Amino acid sequence: DVQLVESGGDLVQPGRSLRLSCAASGFTFRDYEMNWVRQAPGKGLEWVAYINSRGNTMYYGESVRGRFTVSRDNAENSLYLQMNSLRAEDTAVYYCARDGRLSGIRSLDFWGQGTLVSVSS
Amino acid sequence: DIQMTQSPSSLSASVGDRVTISCRASQSIRRYLNWFQQKAGKAPKLLIYGATSLHSGVPSRFSGSGSGTEFSLNISSLQPEDFATYYCQQVDSTPLTFGGGTKVELK
Repeated sequence: DVQLVESGGDLVQPGRSLRLSCAASGFTFRDYEMNWVRQAPGKGLEWVAYINSRGNTMYYGESVRGRFTVSRDNAENSLYLQMNSLRAEDTAVYYCARDGRLSGIRSLDFWGQGTLVSVSS
Repeated sequence: DIQMTQSPSSLSASVGDRVTISCRASQSIRRYLNWFQQKAGKAPKLLIYGATSLHSGVPSRFSGSGSGTEFSLNISSLQPEDFATYYCQQVDSTPLTFGGGTKVELK
C-alpha cells in the first residue's frame, strides 16, 4: 500500500528554521512528482511546493518563495521541505502528497497524515 | 495566479439529498480541475480528476462536470459518510490553487 509519513513538525520561534521530512513507501518513489500542501488551523488548503521526479525542477507558492526549499532523496525514498525565516502565518499542518499524473493530469492522489508546525514566540 | 472561487461556502442537507457544489476559475483552466473531500482531522482524499474522471475507489454517486471556468461536483444521493468539506483545485498552471472549500453539514 502507498504510504506517506511526514515528520519534523515542531513549535519554533519566528525567524527560525525547520526541516520537514516525508518518508514514502509502497510505490516507486523516483517515478513520481511530489508536493507539499499546508492547512492553517481552521482554514482551507494551500499548495506550497512541487518537485519533479528527478529533483531538478521546483515550483513554490508565492507566500513561501525565497524562504522554503523542497528537495528529495530518491535513494532514501524521502521528500523534504526546508523552511527558513518562519513567520506566525506559516503555522499549519503540512502534508506531503504524491502527484499520480492520472491520465496525464496532475492529481494529488495520495496524502500523508500531516505534521504540525507552530510558529510562535 | 489563477483564483478559484467555490460556492456555497457551506450547505445543510439530509441523507438522500442531491448536492451540487460549484467552482469557478478566474481564467480558463480547460479541464484541469480536481476535487477533494476532507473530513475533520484527516488528510484530503482525491475524488475527481480532470474535471470528470472518478478516482479509483470513489463511489459512483460522486460526479464532476464542467470545463473552462465553470465546474461542478455533484453527489447524487448524500450518504452519512459524505458529510465533510470539499475543495476544488486547479492544476492547469502553478501555483496550483485551491478553492476556499464547501462544508456539507447535516440538516
